[in-house]
Amino acid sequence: DVKVTQSSRYLVKRTGEKVFLECVQDMDHENMFWYRQDPGLGLRLIYFSYDVKMKEKGDIPEGYSVSREKKERFSLILESASTNQTSMYLCASTVPGRGSSGNTIYFGEGSWLTVV
Amino acid sequence: ILNVEQSPQSLHVQEGDSTNFTCSFPSSNFYALHWYRWETAKSPEALFVMTLNGDEKKKGRISATLNTKEGYSYLYIKGSQPEDSATYLCAFTSGTYKYIFGTGTRLKVLA
Repeated sequence: DVKVTQSSRYLVKRTGEKVFLECVQDMDHENMFWYRQDPGLGLRLIYFSYDVKMKEKGDIPEGYSVSREKKERFSLILESASTNQTSMYLCASTVPGRGSSGNTIYFGEGSWLTVV
Repeated sequence: ILNVEQSPQSLHVQEGDSTNFTCSFPSSNFYALHWYRWETAKSPEALFVMTLNGDEKKKGRISATLNTKEGYSYLYIKGSQPEDSATYLCAFTSGTYKYIFGTGTRLKVLA
C-alpha cells in the first residue's frame, strides 16, 4: 500500500519558534509538494520539489523554506512561526515528468499547526 | 488568475438519495482534471483523473463526466450511503506541476 507519512499530526508552537514539518513517501516519487489548507480556500501550494536538493516556489512561499536531502523525505520549515501560519499542512507526492500531472497525487494525512 | 470553483459548498442528503455536484475550471490550456475524496482526519484519496473531453469514469456508485470545451465536470453518487460522507475535491492542471484546487463540496449523508 502506497504511503505518504507526515510524522507530526498536531502541533502547538509559540510565535517566533522554528518549526519543522516532516514528510516521507515510500513510492520512490521524484515530485513532492507542500500545501496549506485554510477554511474557504482551496489547497495552496507552498513549495514543490522535483528531485533531491531541487525546489520551486509555489504560490505562497513567504515565511517558509524546504529541505530535500533524500528522495523520500521533504521537510517544510517555518523559520520564525507567526500566528498567521496557523493552518493545516498537507504533503503530497507524484511521479515526475511532462504528463505526470495526469497521474494520481498521493497525500499525507495532514499536520495541524497552531501558533500561539 | 486561474480559478476552480465547486458547487455547492455543502449539502445534506438522505441515505439512498442520488446526488451530484459540479467543478468549473478554465477551458483553455486544459490537461487533466482530478477528483479526490477527503474524509475527516484521513488523506485525500484519488477517485478519478480525467483527460479527454467527453470522458466518463465510474467507480462503484460514483461516476464523473468531463466537458473541457465549456470547462466543467460533474461528480455523481448513486444511492448515497453514510460512508460517502466526505469532502469531494477537484483539481485542474494545464500539464505543469501546478494543480489548482477547488474549495471542495462537503457531503453529509444522513442515515
